[in-house]
Amino acid sequence: AQSVTQPDIHITVSEGASLELRCNYSYGATPYLFWYVQSPGQGLQLLLKYFSGDTLVQGIKGFEAEFKRSQSSFNLRKPSVHWSDAAEYFCAVGGRNTDKLIFGTGTRLQVFP
Amino acid sequence: EAGVVQSPRYKIIEKKQPVAFWCNPISGHNTLYWYRQNLGQGPELLIRYENEEAVDDSQLPKDRFSAERLKGVDSTLKIQPAELGDSAVYLCASSPPGGLAGFEQFFGPGTRLTVL
Repeated sequence: AQSVTQPDIHITVSEGASLELRCNYSYGATPYLFWYVQSPGQGLQLLLKYFSGDTLVQGIKGFEAEFKRSQSSFNLRKPSVHWSDAAEYFCAVGGRNTDKLIFGTGTRLQVFP
Repeated sequence: EAGVVQSPRYKIIEKKQPVAFWCNPISGHNTLYWYRQNLGQGPELLIRYENEEAVDDSQLPKDRFSAERLKGVDSTLKIQPAELGDSAVYLCASSPPGGLAGFEQFFGPGTRLTVL
């Protein structure tokens, strides 16, 4: 069965520090992978996506993610976090085996000045 | 370009009452999704429409939930009667037609339902 695991429920970083949010997936075929961000009271906004090709993908707001097939991971990174990055981050998997996205439980990011 | 529009943004009702949520997708997006997001969880798909047709409603609790998408544009999700456990955020999303673009979903702001 398809699933997504985000092992970190809550992460706190200082502004300007680097960030890595973990995502592991289970999918029976070539996965399509996504990271979404949700600010309080808002819907989800797509940060970046991976379908194929270069395993390092660039997204909006300075985020990037790396697909590692051998580790079934798609971790999200940012070299320097801004206070406005405080939000909930969701990893999701989909693909040709299913027409829907499976979301992880999310990681809440808190940023201290 | 206007995004996905949902109304109302907030709704408080007593249990056993009916409630309805409305969604207007991005123009040209033929696929529409309704998700439920419980507190501290990721969104879970309730129903997916391709134009007017509900192509995946396997997770929709059909005893109390219903949905429609007349003319393949706007959609309404209804709960009747509501139960305490239905308190959640109901998200609508849409995606454009064709290939890989169809996997990229655009979300509305959601409707936060509280059942007392």
